[in-house]
Amino acid sequence: AQTVTQSQPEMSVQEAETVTLSCTYDTSENNYYLFWYKQPPSRQMILVIRQEAYKQQNATENRFSVNFQKAAKSFSLKISDSQLGDTAMYFCAFMKPWGTGGATNKLIFGTGTLLAVQP
Amino acid sequence: SAVISQKPSRDICQRGTSLTIQCQVDSQVTMMFWYRQQPGQSLTLIATANQGSEATYESGFVIDKFPISRPNLTFSTLTVSNMSPEDSSIYLCSAEWVDTEAFFGQGTRLTVV
Repeated sequence: AQTVTQSQPEMSVQEAETVTLSCTYDTSENNYYLFWYKQPPSRQMILVIRQEAYKQQNATENRFSVNFQKAAKSFSLKISDSQLGDTAMYFCAFMKPWGTGGATNKLIFGTGTLLAVQP
Repeated sequence: SAVISQKPSRDICQRGTSLTIQCQVDSQVTMMFWYRQQPGQSLTLIATANQGSEATYESGFVIDKFPISRPNLTFSTLTVSNMSPEDSSIYLCSAEWVDTEAFFGQGTRLTVV
């Protein structure tokens, strides 16, 4: 079974600075997807970034980038130039691709990291 | 992407009653799921809502407690039955196409008193 671990329950960063959120996972699969989702106080789950395991290049989305280390099963999120609106709970998530058997496409979430951006 | 409308957004219910939560997607999707998020916790999958057939439940969740319907490719409901205070949580629906990320509704905050 797949597991996702986020070892930082809470983090704090000053506005405009850079912060890195950690995520490790365990799987025997070779192909899979990894995601970072953000959940602000509004409760809406918002996709931040997505990484396909077969891609060696790290995904980037504006101020958000990942450091994907497949051999180490590590998937950290870097937020540059932090903004007050980045304050939220961040969840790392794992998903097997379609057709890999069982209940595919369900997301397995980590426990989350609460990020507070300080003015 | 998809727009997912979930309602109600919040409700306060008496123990022993039932609440049905609706999830409407603005386009046909392949998969729909229901999650529970207990206070301060991560998301736990309740079940996969299958179009035209019985939902597939995860360990620890049963149909009698959480009946789910999915009559078509854009709509699903989750009922929380015979509620107790332990059912107080946020309930979220999500939708996916093949090999895409999940899109989420805004969640339903349920308080059982």
